[in-house]
This record gives sequence, C-alpha cells and structure tokens, in this order.
Amino acid sequence: DTAVSQTPKYLVTQMGNDKSIKCEQNLGHDTMYWYKQDSKKFLKIMFSYNNKELIINETVPNRFSPKSPDKAHLNLHINSLELGDSAVYFCASSGGRDSVYGYTFGSGTRLTVV
Amino acid sequence: AQSVSQHNHHVILSEAASLELGCNYSYGGTVNLFWYVQYPGQHLQLLLKYFSGDPLVKGIKGFEAEFIKSKFSFNLRKPSVQWSDTAEYFCAVNGDSGAGSYQLTFGKGTKLSVIP
Repeated sequence: DTAVSQTPKYLVTQMGNDKSIKCEQNLGHDTMYWYKQDSKKFLKIMFSYNNKELIINETVPNRFSPKSPDKAHLNLHINSLELGDSAVYFCASSGGRDSVYGYTFGSGTRLTVV
Repeated sequence: AQSVSQHNHHVILSEAASLELGCNYSYGGTVNLFWYVQYPGQHLQLLLKYFSGDPLVKGIKGFEAEFIKSKFSFNLRKPSVQWSDTAEYFCAVNGDSGAGSYQLTFGKGTKLSVIP
C-alpha cells in the first residue's frame, strides 16, 4: 500500500494547456502539502491544507489552484501552463508537529511543458 | 520566517571516507529538524529527525545528526560512506507558520557523489 500516491508520474504537455495532478494519502494525516522542486533541486512549498482548509498559500501564480475534496486528497490544477512550470511536483502529508510520522512524500510528478 | 542554509553544494568523497554535511537554520521558536535523502530519480525519504530529547539522533543506513542549539546547527554525519550513498541530501526545519500548520522549509540541498 502506497502511503502517499500521486498521479500521473510523468506529464508532458504544451504551453497554454490546463492539467491536473492528483494526490491521495492513506495515513490518516490531517495536513497535506504541495512542493515544487525546480531544475536546481530546490524544494519550495506551494500550498498546505489542514482538514480540507487552505493554511499556506505561498507566492504562487493564481494559475495554480489546489483543491481538497476531503482530508485524504489534495489535487493541484494548473491553468494556462507556461514553460517555467516545468518541474517535479511533490505531494506530502503530515500528522502535525508532534506526529511520529513526520512528513511523508509522494513519488513526485515530473511536469514538462513544451 | 524560518530558513535553512546548507553550506556545501556538492561534496565528492571516496568510499569509506567520513561524511559531514553542514546545516544551519534560523527560526525564533521551537523547531523540529529533519534530514531527507533523494536518490537519483526518486522521491524524498526521511533519514532522521529531531523533535526533542537527546541531541544526537541516529537514523537509517548508519547516518546520524547532532542538534547544537547554541549554534543553530543540525549537521549530518556518517563515519564511512558507500557508493550507494550517492544522492541529494536535504536539511529541513519546521515550526509553527500560524493557524496551527507546521510548514517544512528545506535547504537548497547538498549533492553527494561517492567514488568507488
């Protein structure tokens, strides 16, 4: 059983398209996150949801819209894709500050915009 | 705001050499500290974490890290590296970002290349 699963693993699309990445966790965690890893391997948080409620919304273009239908799912929808959106997107979940689980990451979605 | 600084961008070692990767953080409150490893083409995996208690933390695969509060440091060590340790290593810190959410902030990573 994969704890945090993301789909798709790879996504190649043309500029201007709209695409979605899905994330599901079966750990019973309350908080889920989206991170972006750029070509230099730098990881930066994009969004954080706690029990379906948006907690953190970093400086991210509003073309990116997260949606959390329930606390086990956090999807990322991207409108009007641009070349600079090419990156690896990681979903993660956590049980909170004192959780023995810490943070668990999904396997990532490599997005390539051409 | 919290921040994490990793001193070395790329470290190259021969097998059996000892490893120490530096990590310093800046945050005004109580923090939790982590080291993650990312093998080529793979996702992040937790190596070890510090929440409280003994500042010397032992993780998986023979790694350990020492939390030195006075130096705001959490350096990663391994006495003898192997070729399979070749990977990207990320130090991370989390603290309360408000509204009860503990945001994980990463350093820029250190690439470790181990030469057989």
